[in-house]
Amino acid sequence: AQSVAQPEDQVNVAEGNPLTVKCTYSVSGNPYLFWYVQYPNRGLQFLLKYITGDNLVKGSYGFEAEFNKSQTSFHLKKPSALVSDSALYFCAVRDIGDYKLSFGAGTTVTVRA
Amino acid sequence: GAGVSQSPRYKVTKRGQDVALRCDPISGHVSLYWYRQALGQGPEFLTYFNYEAQQDKSGLPNDRFSAERPEGSISTLTIQRTEQRDSAMYRCASSLETGSHPYNEQFFGPGTRLTVL
Repeated sequence: AQSVAQPEDQVNVAEGNPLTVKCTYSVSGNPYLFWYVQYPNRGLQFLLKYITGDNLVKGSYGFEAEFNKSQTSFHLKKPSALVSDSALYFCAVRDIGDYKLSFGAGTTVTVRA
Repeated sequence: GAGVSQSPRYKVTKRGQDVALRCDPISGHVSLYWYRQALGQGPEFLTYFNYEAQQDKSGLPNDRFSAERPEGSISTLTIQRTEQRDSAMYRCASSLETGSHPYNEQFFGPGTRLTVL
């Protein structure tokens, strides 16, 4: 079985400050990890993924995430947040050989001007 | 290019009615998935198609739910005799590769918001 935990329902930061959204996962094998973002009245948009290789993954809109196998974490980060980054963020995991994505409950990010 | 489209975007129906939700995947995408997202939760897997074959329907809640993809492109999720607990956002996703391919990346549509009164 595979699962994802996003321990924070909400994250609030000031514009220009670093942003971190936490994610931990559980899989039976090696994980494929994903971050998606959801803006109001829109679908889930893919941000980035970890499949293999470098533990630091860079994605869209200046976001990056670090895969940490020992801590089973895949935290999303952005060095300098923008007001336009305010949205709902989902972490997802897929076990090798599987096709289903298992999502966390989501973290609402609010960036204040 | 065009992304995944879903219709209708909003559906309000009365308890006991049947509804059909449509998904039009990205052209050429082999795999198609349906997920259901309750308020305040992440999407949960319902079913998966590889071309026209329904490979996994383990996430469908009960036999009132069914899905098809007869020509390996457009898919329809049907809910018979709807109940209030069926109210949710229904999301469709497609991917270029077969589901278990390492670089399989799922692209999501905008979803259909179903409300059962």
